[in-house]
Amino acid sequence: AQRVTQPEKLLSVFKGAPVELKCNYSYSGSPELFWYVQYSRQRLQLLLRHISRESIKGFTADLNKGETSFHLKKPFAQEEDSAMYYCALSGRGATNKLIFGTGTLLAVQP
Amino acid sequence: EAGVTQFPSHSVIEKGQTVTLRCDPISGHDNLYWYRRVMGKEIKFLLHFVKESKQDESGMPNNRFLAERTGGTYSTLKVQPAELEDSGVYFCASSKGPSYEQYFGPGTRLTVT
Repeated sequence: AQRVTQPEKLLSVFKGAPVELKCNYSYSGSPELFWYVQYSRQRLQLLLRHISRESIKGFTADLNKGETSFHLKKPFAQEEDSAMYYCALSGRGATNKLIFGTGTLLAVQP
Repeated sequence: EAGVTQFPSHSVIEKGQTVTLRCDPISGHDNLYWYRRVMGKEIKFLLHFVKESKQDESGMPNNRFLAERTGGTYSTLKVQPAELEDSGVYFCASSKGPSYEQYFGPGTRLTVT
C-alpha cells in the first residue's frame, strides 16, 4: 500500500532549538519525496524535494531508503517557521499524483 | 505571474444540492490536479488532467463527482447531489508537466449541512 505517515500532529519547540519532523513512507518502487508547507492564511507550497538535495530556509531532509524515512530537520528553529508541514510522495510516471501524510503543526515558541 | 485561483473560496450548501467548484491554473500549465482534505484526514488526490483529458481519475470517490476541463484551460468539479461527507477543503494544483512542481490554489472550503 502507498502511504505516508507523520506520527506527530503537533510539535512545539522553543526558538533556537533543533527541529525534526518525522516522515515515514510505504511505496513499492522508487518514489519521489517532498515536504510541503502551509503558513497561516497562505496556500500550500513546496518546501523541498529529495532529488534537488537543497537546503531551503535552513531546512534539510535526507531520504533513507533502508528506513523508508524522509525526516525534515532544522538546527535552529525560528518563530517564522511556525506552520503546517506535510510530507508527500509521488511515483515516477505519467501522473505524479501526490500522496500526503496527515501533516504536523510546528509551533515555535519565543 | 498569477497563481492558481479557485472559486468560490467558501461554499455552504444543503445536503442534496449541487455545487460547482472552479479552478484556473497558471497560464501554460497543461497539468491540473484536484485534491481534497476532509476534516481530520490527509489531503487526498482526486484526479489529474493533461490539457482536456483525464489522465488519472482513480481518486474520485463516486459518480456524484464530475470533473471537466473543456478546452484545456480552467476546470470545474461538480458535486451532485452533495452529501454530508463531502464537506472539506478542495484544492486545485497545476504544473508544467508530470515531473514539475505542483502549484496549489488557496482551496475551496465546502460545507454541506
